[in-house]
Amino acid sequence: GENVEQHPSTLSVQEGDSAVIKCTYSDSASNYFPWYKQELGKRPQLIIDIRSNVGEKKDQRIAVTLNKTAKHFSLHITETQPEDSAVYFCAASNQAGTALIFGKGTTLSVSS
Amino acid sequence: EPEVTQTPSHQVTQMGQEVILRCVPISNHLYFYWYRQILGQKVEFLVSFYNNEISEKSEIFDDQFSVERPDGSNFTLKIRSTKLEDSAMYFCASKGLAGVETQYFGPGTRLLVL
Repeated sequence: GENVEQHPSTLSVQEGDSAVIKCTYSDSASNYFPWYKQELGKRPQLIIDIRSNVGEKKDQRIAVTLNKTAKHFSLHITETQPEDSAVYFCAASNQAGTALIFGKGTTLSVSS
Repeated sequence: EPEVTQTPSHQVTQMGQEVILRCVPISNHLYFYWYRQILGQKVEFLVSFYNNEISEKSEIFDDQFSVERPDGSNFTLKIRSTKLEDSAMYFCASKGLAGVETQYFGPGTRLLVL
């Protein structure tokens, strides 16, 4: 089955810096890669996603890149703000409503 | 904006007891999921449900677990005989059409087994 590895486990940046979180996946059939943000004690919230027919997607300060050949995808947050502090999870799935397989999460701390 | 809701928000139970966790998915969604998250760990898939039957389940989802959609709005997870290691946050999620992959998560039920 699918296995998703995520690095780093913790990331501390200064406000205004960029943050990059990387994930690799094992199943070449996976074609959907969402990123979720989870604040303490709250539900995971989708922040951006990418499908395998696209190499990059951007939404304001957040971007995701996908390298299908290498089976890795990354989350980029620019101009970080303290409210970006949270745990970020990457995930992968293949089509037809199948399970999301999550990485172990990255705790991002943005200090002002 | 419609949201997935879950009840209760917290549940404490004794080992060996049965618990039922309840979820109300987004109203026009067709695919339903249960995930769990042990404190400080990643979110783990348990089961997916579509067209009134289980479509996929993980190795975590053993005979102690069952799911049901008893009416047109609720989706439940039952744990027949709880174990200490079942203590976790349980999230329900739902998804709309087959071509749209986004899963929306509920707020979770924190289950503590003593």
